[in-house]
Amino acid sequence: QQPVQSPQAVILREGEDAVINCSSSKALYSVHWYRQKHGEAPVFLMILLKGGEQKGHDKISASFNEKKQQSSLYLTASQLSYSGTYFCGTEISADSNYQLIWGAGTKLIIKP
Amino acid sequence: NAGVTQTPKFQVLKTGQSMTLQCAQDMNHEYMSWYRQDPGMGLRLIHYSVGAGITDQGEVPNGYNVSRSTTEDFPLRLLSAAPSQTSVYFCASSHNPLAGINEQFFGPGTRLTVL
Repeated sequence: QQPVQSPQAVILREGEDAVINCSSSKALYSVHWYRQKHGEAPVFLMILLKGGEQKGHDKISASFNEKKQQSSLYLTASQLSYSGTYFCGTEISADSNYQLIWGAGTKLIIKP
Repeated sequence: NAGVTQTPKFQVLKTGQSMTLQCAQDMNHEYMSWYRQDPGMGLRLIHYSVGAGITDQGEVPNGYNVSRSTTEDFPLRLLSAAPSQTSVYFCASSHNPLAGINEQFFGPGTRLTVL
């Protein structure tokens, strides 16, 4: 039931782009993306809803393909501050049971 | 606003001991939740609450109890600590979950070691 994130880890040079995927075996209502820096709490990035539009802020955007039960997070022209572990959380319906099921995370390392 | 606060930050217990992890939020959020985070496993939901007086089990509730007597506080009780409960515990809160879970605000975490 846990969504599968890929890749598990990625190392980039500053300015390069990255794509992180989150795939589920179940139909999804929403996908939530968070970033966690080492030793800190997760911080919200964005929520994508079924039937909603692709979202983004700054140089981070995401898409949600309902048919494929998959979401992708796009980091463009990566900055050192983008380093951390990215988690997706999935919700199977709006009134399911108020539970997010989380992926194991993708570790992103940005080098200068 | 302090946001979501958790105490203690670190705790070491012996097997069989009990303790309460405290969580409080000052944002008047209806939804509060407790997660545990283990290496390589992401976050797993222990218990959650959609309002004062209402709690329910998450993915991994065994060995833990919760209560929600006020909107602000959501303590997590470990009944009889076991080494398998060694983990980092996060409390989170968000507004009105009735149309789906919203942006969650996380506390700084409690790092628990059970010997």
